[in-house]
Amino acid sequence: KNQVEQSPQSLIILEGKNCTLQCNYTVSPFSNLRWYKQDTGRGPVSLTIMTFSENTKSNGRYTATLDADTKQSSLHITASQLSDSASYICVVKRGANNLFFGTGTRLTVIP
Amino acid sequence: NAGVTQTPKFQVLKTGQSMTLQCAQDMNHEYMSWYRQDPGMGLRLIHYSVGAGITDQGEVPNGYNVSRSTTEDFPLRLLSAAPSQTSVYFCASSSGRLSGANVLTFGAGSRLTVL
Repeated sequence: KNQVEQSPQSLIILEGKNCTLQCNYTVSPFSNLRWYKQDTGRGPVSLTIMTFSENTKSNGRYTATLDADTKQSSLHITASQLSDSASYICVVKRGANNLFFGTGTRLTVIP
Repeated sequence: NAGVTQTPKFQVLKTGQSMTLQCAQDMNHEYMSWYRQDPGMGLRLIHYSVGAGITDQGEVPNGYNVSRSTTEDFPLRLLSAAPSQTSVYFCASSSGRLSGANVLTFGAGSRLTVL
């Protein structure tokens, strides 16, 4: 069964601290994995995409990793800011056109 | 550049009523789609279109209708609203058929409550 599971469901951290969000998937055949950020009351916005051959990719303070062998990805946020408070959604693409969405991790950054 | 525009942002319906959620994009994207987002669940695909005049069903199409008469517009129709259709609806578009690394651009969402 094609599934995408994210952990933790929610996370509260102090401003300035780092955090790591996890995504495990069973989607096959794997095409790519994308992390989206969804602010409250808004639509998701793409942060980064990982293909099969990529292990690490950074986008500013966001660093995504992918282990295609264990079917795991992580999103690491460095020096968190209040504006990082959002839901982070992992989306795995199967084959040419099928997308599988995780339920997201709700991150709250407090001052 | 407006991107993907959804209207209305909020709507309350009574059971059995019908309505249309509007979606328009100004990026000349071929691919458009509708998702619903419910608590504790990932986004689920309702219907999608790969071009004007072409539509197809997604994972949860029952109770919804779509049409694509122009490249820009992709309305979602609720034929007879039910409480189970209470959700947040997102329209999303992409420049290709999701092939390669094409990314989805989402609208801001439409929150629908069915009483």
